[in-house]
Amino acid sequence: ETGVTQSPTHLIKTRGQQVTLRCSSQSGHNTVSWYQQALGQGPQFIFQYYREEENGRGNFPPRFSGLQFPNYSSELNVNALELDDSALYLCASSSRDTPFSPLHFGNGTRLTVT
Amino acid sequence: AQSVAQPEDQVNVAEGNPLTVKCTYSVSGNPYLFWYVQYPNRGLQFLLKYITGDNLVKGSYGFEAEFNKSQTSFHLKKPSALVSDSALYFCAVRDRAAAGANNLFFGTGTRLTVIP
Repeated sequence: ETGVTQSPTHLIKTRGQQVTLRCSSQSGHNTVSWYQQALGQGPQFIFQYYREEENGRGNFPPRFSGLQFPNYSSELNVNALELDDSALYLCASSSRDTPFSPLHFGNGTRLTVT
Repeated sequence: AQSVAQPEDQVNVAEGNPLTVKCTYSVSGNPYLFWYVQYPNRGLQFLLKYITGDNLVKGSYGFEAEFNKSQTSFHLKKPSALVSDSALYFCAVRDRAAAGANNLFFGTGTRLTVIP
């Protein structure tokens, strides 16, 4: 069973730039969620994708966007980066076919915005 | 609105002693409750969940949690702590009415240190 993998592991960007983070779901999982974890904080829900469509979103501006592909992998895109976007970005997959199935998290991408 | 409070930033316990990590929650309706653990430079790992039914929930690695509706609490417990239990623990809640099946609201975490 292949777990959730995220790339890259670390990334440094400059304010105003754009970034794309990638996630491969655990095999058999059809739902992907993205979370932002600032230093010393708990993860905050950004959005969720199912069947290649966003079907839930947290309190994040539209410059945070995503995609889900037919193989259930996903991308998180952030435009016009701000210093406060510096955080650990976590991808989590689950199976919508199994009620209340737990989230399986990747190890995250550490984004630093300077 | 939903919220989770983990009142202790840090919990220290001696190896072999029982441990408790506290969590209280607030949701408008009936909650789904979860505990996750995070090791350094890693993602979160699922420990256990409460959906409905028995108030005492058993999970991975010998952990358990008790749902108390009147106190709106969901404390994590383990009868005998191991050094390897040292990690960052997160309580999370989902309001059944929240959009997005994975819209979990996490607490700020409690760092557990088990002293040999």
